[in-house]
Amino acid sequence: ILNVEQSPQSLHVQEGDSTNFTCSFPSSNFYALHWYRWETAKSPEALFVMTLNGDEKKKGRISATLNTKEGYSYLYIKGSQPEDSATYLCAFYVGGAGTALIFGKGTTLSVSS
Amino acid sequence: DVKVTQSSRYLVKRTGEKVFLECVQDMDHENMFWYRQDPGLGLRLIYFSYDVKMKEKGDIPEGYSVSREKKERFSLILESASTNQTSMYLCASSPGTGVEQYFGPGTRLTVT
Repeated sequence: ILNVEQSPQSLHVQEGDSTNFTCSFPSSNFYALHWYRWETAKSPEALFVMTLNGDEKKKGRISATLNTKEGYSYLYIKGSQPEDSATYLCAFYVGGAGTALIFGKGTTLSVSS
Repeated sequence: DVKVTQSSRYLVKRTGEKVFLECVQDMDHENMFWYRQDPGLGLRLIYFSYDVKMKEKGDIPEGYSVSREKKERFSLILESASTNQTSMYLCASSPGTGVEQYFGPGTRLTVT
């Protein structure tokens, strides 16, 4: 059974702090790694879809890196703001017919002003 | 703008009732998915479909069935609702395999 682990489970930071989360996934049969942000009372929205080892993606103050050989991805938030408060999900896709994304349990970030 | 809609935001049903959750997407996406989200367990895949009339079991299909008669619509059916099916149900769609998924707003189902 393929498993995706995220750490920490939850995190509380002050406005302006920078933070990062980890997503660990099986390093074999890699196809893609997704990051989603899920704000309270909203739908999950994709942040990044990463497919290549060494990929780095950036969207504003949020960036992500990917290491497929060792099976991990980091999500970084620079200068956290209260509006960054959300649950951040990563999902791993192994590829092939009849397969789908495998989600981690998420990291819940709370940013206080 | 990409849009996935779900028939209800909140639903309360009684044990033993047959429950239909509807999901519609307007993006002509091939793939559609049903998940449930429970505290501490994350998003778990119930069923998905990669084409009309096609379906695949996810991680937790027991107690559920699905229907996809038209490309834009994917229905989740609880044949006989039970209290352990009280949960948040999320529908999603994607234009292909392994690419970004677009989620609906969710249906919070309570079975009493």
